[in-house]
Amino acid sequence: DADVTQTPRNRITKTGKRIMLECSQTKGHDRMYWYRQDPGLGLRLIYYSFDVKDINKGEISDGYSVSRQAQAKFSLSLESAIPNQTALYFCATSSNRPGAHTEAFFGQGTRLTVV
Amino acid sequence: RKEVEQDPGPFNVPEGATVAFNCTYSNSASQSFFWYRQDCRKEPKLLMSVYSSGNEDGRFTAQLNRASQYISLLIRDSKLSDSATYLCVVTLTGYSSASKIIFGSGTRLSIRP
Repeated sequence: DADVTQTPRNRITKTGKRIMLECSQTKGHDRMYWYRQDPGLGLRLIYYSFDVKDINKGEISDGYSVSRQAQAKFSLSLESAIPNQTALYFCATSSNRPGAHTEAFFGQGTRLTVV
Repeated sequence: RKEVEQDPGPFNVPEGATVAFNCTYSNSASQSFFWYRQDCRKEPKLLMSVYSSGNEDGRFTAQLNRASQYISLLIRDSKLSDSATYLCVVTLTGYSSASKIIFGSGTRLSIRP
């Protein structure tokens, strides 16, 4: 089983619909992230969370919200989906040890299409 | 200015060639550095960490220059399977909310037979 699991893997939804992307991890990491990836733009940070009570906006948080239900779960919601939110979404986790040479571990991605 | 900048490429080189990618970062407080590899429509995966003294893993060599805020990746004897996008990654670690992982937009490499 993957250490970082995203559901669904693929989703097509209509403009205006609410949709939730879910992420769960078995790494025991406190830090979790949501990114979106668009061709030519690389990975852009939407939201990140350093523990259950800590939520921070990334560079492109407008139109998105998140919920950290537990240390292992971090979900991303699109309250009213629009076509320019069509993208590949990645969840990631990392260790919180200060000074540690920490790497990020990614889920397999969710391909979202808003029509 | 982007926090992490890479040449997007594409780099199109023949099999067996040596190819080098560069990356610059803007935050001098950056603490950890990595190269990730991403295949088409897949998640990024760690290729190698980058240490201050430079490090090598088989055909791959990574270098860090903190004074110039510059990271490099060298691939020797390139293989067809090296075709991918290479992401430069910089992290600031610690407990403050300023800590984060920053990705470059990636350099696309295509190896031709």
